[in-house]
Amino acid sequence: DAKTTQPPSMDCAEGRAANLPCNHSTISGNEYVYWYRQIHSQGPQYIIHGLKNNETNEMASLIITEDRKSSTLILPHATLRDTAVYYCIVRSSGNTPLVFGKGTRLSVIA
Amino acid sequence: DSGVTQTPKHLITATGQRVTLRCSPRSGDLSVYWYQQSLDQGLQFLIQYYNGEERAKGNILERFSAQQFPDLHSELNLSSLELGDSALYFCATTGTGFSNQPQHFGDGTRLSIL
Repeated sequence: DAKTTQPPSMDCAEGRAANLPCNHSTISGNEYVYWYRQIHSQGPQYIIHGLKNNETNEMASLIITEDRKSSTLILPHATLRDTAVYYCIVRSSGNTPLVFGKGTRLSVIA
Repeated sequence: DSGVTQTPKHLITATGQRVTLRCSPRSGDLSVYWYQQSLDQGLQFLIQYYNGEERAKGNILERFSAQQFPDLHSELNLSSLELGDSALYFCATTGTGFSNQPQHFGDGTRLSIL
């Protein structure tokens, strides 16, 4: 699976959009981009995933560049409860394990 | 609530002992993955089972073993415990194989070795 690069930390003001970037320049055609987050020491929580089209669900939006070498997770109106470590993971289709990096620690500030 | 249940939530034991961690998957999920999260190593994949059969192995020590039962729940057995085995242990489950379905994680078992 392709490796991802994320900034170690970011701050966001409460109520503003949080835009979390991820680089995955070696992604191959059959690999999906997944986003998870981990709040404190809870289990990682699935947020969203996509292949090449932009995706939106009740939690977030995922924007994938046309060349698929990078993506952005958007939390439209961040709240204090969105403070967490966010992981961007590239994974081929199929029943394969997730490979976690260090993620981005997002701090939402009041 | 992910629908994945892990028990116990906390476990405190001594070096040299053996423990069993349990994971009950979401209804209909056939795959179970076990991950270990320690302070210095981050989240690491240990082992995967699919419909009762071992599917993949990661950085799992020989002192650790797992199995998946006919009712699809899984157990992770850790033996000859060492101080360094103190960690959070998560299981994640997903549905049928060969798809892009996301994995859903339980809340983990915190293992403390004294």
